[in-house]
Amino acid sequence: DADVTQTPRNRITKTGKRIMLECSQTKGHDRMYWYRQDPGLGLRLIYYSFDVKDINKGEISDGYSVSRQAQAKFSLSLESAIPNQTALYFCATSGTIAGVSYNEQFFGPGTRLTVL
Amino acid sequence: SQQGEEDPQALSIQEGENATMNCSYKTSINNLQWYRQNSGRGLVHLILIRSNEREKHSGRLRVTLDTSKKSSSLLITASRAADTASYFCATAGFNKFYFGSGTKLNVKP
Repeated sequence: DADVTQTPRNRITKTGKRIMLECSQTKGHDRMYWYRQDPGLGLRLIYYSFDVKDINKGEISDGYSVSRQAQAKFSLSLESAIPNQTALYFCATSGTIAGVSYNEQFFGPGTRLTVL
Repeated sequence: SQQGEEDPQALSIQEGENATMNCSYKTSINNLQWYRQNSGRGLVHLILIRSNEREKHSGRLRVTLDTSKKSSSLLITASRAADTASYFCATAGFNKFYFGSGTKLNVKP
């Protein structure tokens, strides 16, 4: 079974619709991240969370919101989707040992979102 | 804005040849990591080098880090067709990661 799962894997929606992307992990990691990937631009950090009560904005948080429902679940919402949010979205996790981050990130398979 | 930038953007070589890709970054880092991405899939961690290390090996991978030049290189020796993928460097600062735009490697059989 995959350690980091994302649902849905593909989604086509219309401008103005509210969309939620979900991420679950079985790695027991406390840190979770959402990224988007656009062609030629690499990955950009949207939001990150170091535990259930900790949510932080990343590089490009405008137009997005997140919810950390449990240590294992981190959801990304587009309140009112727009075409330039068409991208590949990745969830990732990383862990700590005795409070020290060992930094390696584990990625989900991605969600391909198209906003028409 | 992105911190890490890879060079070249694309690289095409024959199987058996070595592939070298470079990464430059702008600010001080805690460590630098390299990831591989097969087309349309999630990134897979390859290797991590800490800011106080200069070189690290893992199988056919060799990574160097020059903090004075704010640059790193990834060498894949004896490349295989299965190495065809995009390769990204990621710099880790204080609790944040910055990914470059990647090098697309094509290894021809």
